Amino acid sequence: ETGVTQSPTHLIKTRGQQVTLRCSSQSGHNTVSWYQQALGQGPQFIFQYYREEENGRGNFPPRFSGLQFPNYSSELNVNALELDDSALYLCASSFDFATNEKLFFGSGTQLSVL
Amino acid sequence: GENVEQHPSTLSVQEGDSAVIKCTYSDSASNYFPWYKQELGKRPQLIIDIRSNVGEKKDQRIAVTLNKTAKHFSLHITETQPEDSAVYFCAASSSFTGNQFYFGTGTSLTVIP
Repeated sequence: ETGVTQSPTHLIKTRGQQVTLRCSSQSGHNTVSWYQQALGQGPQFIFQYYREEENGRGNFPPRFSGLQFPNYSSELNVNALELDDSALYLCASSFDFATNEKLFFGSGTQLSVL
Repeated sequence: GENVEQHPSTLSVQEGDSAVIKCTYSDSASNYFPWYKQELGKRPQLIIDIRSNVGEKKDQRIAVTLNKTAKHFSLHITETQPEDSAVYFCAASSSFTGNQFYFGTGTSLTVIP
C-alpha cells in the first residue's frame, strides 16, 4: 500500500504567476482533498474531488482550481499568485467521501510567493 | 459553516506528566472528530479519532473524550515522553459535508525531559 505523495516539495514563484501542484492518492482511495496551511495555523479546506468532479469547496476564490484524473491523482492550480498564497499545500486522500472516512495527508508542497 | 476552537495554543509539561488539549465546535451536525500530530516539517498524522456515537476512546497512552451536549472534545496524553513534542490539531467533520474537515489552530506541545 502506497501513501499519499505530492510534488514538488518546495516551490518559489513571483506574484502574478501561475502554479500547478500534484498529488497521488493512497492506494484504494477515490477521494482527494486539498488544504492550505499557513504558518502557525491549522489546515484550511480548499476543495475536494470525487470521481473527477469537484465535490465541495471552501472559502477560496475561483483562481484556485483543480482536477482529478481517472487514476484518482489530482492537481491544484493557482492563478494570479498573491503574496498571501504563501503556505504549505496539503493533499489528503480518503476511501470515500460519502462515509466520512479518515483523511491521510501527503507531506505537502511549500509554496513561497515573492 | 463549522468553527473549531482549540486551547491552549502552547503547552509545556514535564516528562511523565499528563497533557490535555481541548476543542469546541459549533455545528451540531458534526459527527467525526479526529486528532492529528504534526512534527516540524512533516505531514499531519492521524493519532486517534472518535465518532459521535461514542463518548470516549483510548489507545495506549492517548485518549479522546467527547461531550456532544456541550460540543467539546479533548485529547488526553498520559505519561508524556519527549517524542510526544509536536503540534496537535483537532478537527471536526459532518456526514452531510463528506470529508470536509474543519481544523483547530493547533497546540504546540513541548515535553521537557
